[in-house]
Amino acid sequence: DQQVKQNSPSLSVQEGRISILNCDYTNSMFDYFLWYKKYPAEGPTFLISISSIKDKNEDGRFTVFLNKSAKHLSLHIVPSQPGDSAVYFCAASVGTGTASKLTFGTGTRLQVTL
Amino acid sequence: DAGITQSPRYKITETGRQVTLMCHQTWSHSYMFWYRQDLGHGLRLIYYSAAADITDKGEVPDGYVVSRSKTENFPLTLESATRSQTSVYFCASSRFTTVPYEQYFGPGTRLTVT
Repeated sequence: DQQVKQNSPSLSVQEGRISILNCDYTNSMFDYFLWYKKYPAEGPTFLISISSIKDKNEDGRFTVFLNKSAKHLSLHIVPSQPGDSAVYFCAASVGTGTASKLTFGTGTRLQVTL
Repeated sequence: DAGITQSPRYKITETGRQVTLMCHQTWSHSYMFWYRQDLGHGLRLIYYSAAADITDKGEVPDGYVVSRSKTENFPLTLESATRSQTSVYFCASSRFTTVPYEQYFGPGTRLTVT
């Protein structure tokens, strides 16, 4: 049972345009969400996060939106750059400030073209 | 160098053999995790540890054994490797004391069981 779903395995976007990566979850107990970025032959690196008490968090070119009623979050990258080409994982956890185990989605491969 | 390291980076072994994957972190993080990454499944938690001598099962623990005698090390042992354990394994660590509670990942070990 996949509690965190990324239904688009891949996405191609032109440089300078907006990239929108989507993530859906089924467990209503999730209250903290993170996005990780992964380059080939490297481990995932943390990108941005959002608490369930917020609906938006912004960090430079990256913005995460959370729609709790729809159990949906999205990552917006504006403007997209070739260096953003990577696999993006969304992750969710129950409880903060504890050993919150992360449940990951299957990932979306973003290709930013020139 | 400070950070989290994994060894070996690549390993080929035969069915039935015992294999140990090593993980070492220099941050003195309390929490450490082992994940496996497989196509179509994303990252799945195998085992985690809240501190030295405290370990617990994750989502897919069968066939794996962990130990944590020192805070900085968290080895993962496949007692009798099977082909289904062919995967990329990632170790991660976390403080879990301040937002955003992110986990820091090692570079991964690609394991092939023949």
